[in-house]
Amino acid sequence: NAGVTQTPKFRVLKTGQSMTLLCAQDMNHEYMYWYRQDPGMGLRLIHYSVGEGTTAKGEVPDGYNVSRLKKQNFLLGLESAAPSQTSVYFCASRVALRNSPLHFGNGTRLTVT
Amino acid sequence: AQKVTQAQTEISVVEKEDVTLDCVYETRDTTYYLFWYKQPPSGELVFLIRRNSFDEQNEISGRYSWNFQKSTSSFNFTITASQVVDSAVYFCALSEGEAGGTSYGKLTFGQGTILTVHP
Repeated sequence: NAGVTQTPKFRVLKTGQSMTLLCAQDMNHEYMYWYRQDPGMGLRLIHYSVGEGTTAKGEVPDGYNVSRLKKQNFLLGLESAAPSQTSVYFCASRVALRNSPLHFGNGTRLTVT
Repeated sequence: AQKVTQAQTEISVVEKEDVTLDCVYETRDTTYYLFWYKQPPSGELVFLIRRNSFDEQNEISGRYSWNFQKSTSSFNFTITASQVVDSAVYFCALSEGEAGGTSYGKLTFGQGTILTVHP
């Protein structure tokens, strides 16, 4: 049971570099989400997707882009990393049934120096 | 806009003590859902419970119990006879109803409460 898999687990970037975080789920879930977790702020929604080929902005979308070309994958891109993007990033997915719980990946710890 | 507040940033207890984690929420919707998640030191997020706004019955699951009170907009979580393995960050979260199909289950999280249970 892989569930939701995030790669990489850790990454260190220099300011201005770009990278892509990959989220893959094998549960055939329609909805997928990217959150960031910062101390004292809980988890905040960056972007989400309700189906293949669709994406939408969450609470803190600036500086990030996403794509959902395949139903099972949801990519989060940082085009020009900034120290303020140092965070732990969580991907989650769920079925479209009304308010079913989110299934989370194990997180990616990103440090931007 | 919806909001979730967990006023307790950190709680420290000794094993076997009972502990209650507070959660207060704000929403304009009449249909909404409340969740609790646990994040142990290993970092993953584990779903504990979901409660909808029409069901105010308290729930008990082993040593865990939840008290939902719409009158005070609270959804508190109690651990009875705490154990060291309960040490974790606990998050309360709110999702507005999907009757109109616009919520898409987006969760608004509280700031989290760090619970440390000492042996």
